[in-house]
Amino acid sequence: ETGVTQTPRHLVMGMTNKKSLKCEQHLGHNAMYWYKQSAKKPLELMFVYNFKEQTENNSVPSRFSPECPNSSHLFLHLHTLQPEDSALYLCASSQTGGVAAGELFFGEGSRLTVL
Amino acid sequence: GQQVMQIPQYQHVQEGEDFTTYCNSSTTLSNIQWYKQRPGGHPVFLIQLVKSGEVKKQKRLTFQFGEAKKNSSLHITATQTTDVGTYFCGADSWGKLQFGAGTQVVVTP
Repeated sequence: ETGVTQTPRHLVMGMTNKKSLKCEQHLGHNAMYWYKQSAKKPLELMFVYNFKEQTENNSVPSRFSPECPNSSHLFLHLHTLQPEDSALYLCASSQTGGVAAGELFFGEGSRLTVL
Repeated sequence: GQQVMQIPQYQHVQEGEDFTTYCNSSTTLSNIQWYKQRPGGHPVFLIQLVKSGEVKKQKRLTFQFGEAKKNSSLHITATQTTDVGTYFCGADSWGKLQFGAGTQVVVTP
């Protein structure tokens, strides 16, 4: 139990579907992150939210749309994805964002397969 | 932009042997973090190094931050099967944390 819960754990979707990934943290942290992990590649930072405000969008295609309604919840809305978007999507949280953010607490990830 | 290289990409180790994995950044860092990801799991924080030349130990794991704060190493002694996994460094360049591709460690009994 990491204190960061992601649902669903596995998701298969067609290229025309719309789905959402959900992340919830129970650690009282103020920063939340979405990372993409593909085979043989480094963890790719997608989005950062600090106190519910988006502070980082790492040139992510618009078919990925994040939402952070409060400091404990983070969503990633998916629509018209491509097969190359198949990956493990990891949510993480930290006490704060920015400089000296400290350690990241990762969820177990949502394994996404786009057909 | 910042580049973070980890070597080696793969490390096959006999149980009981020692090995070292290295992390090199193209820019000076504010701190460096190390994470371990077991097969099928998620990254778990191991340690953070902040000071130039800092050395920290966790049982059989020794972490070092270079004097120039651009590189780091993780040394594991007497490798055990529980050490299997991928070890990532996270290079923090003043608020931007960038991960290396990781060193995948396989331990043979």
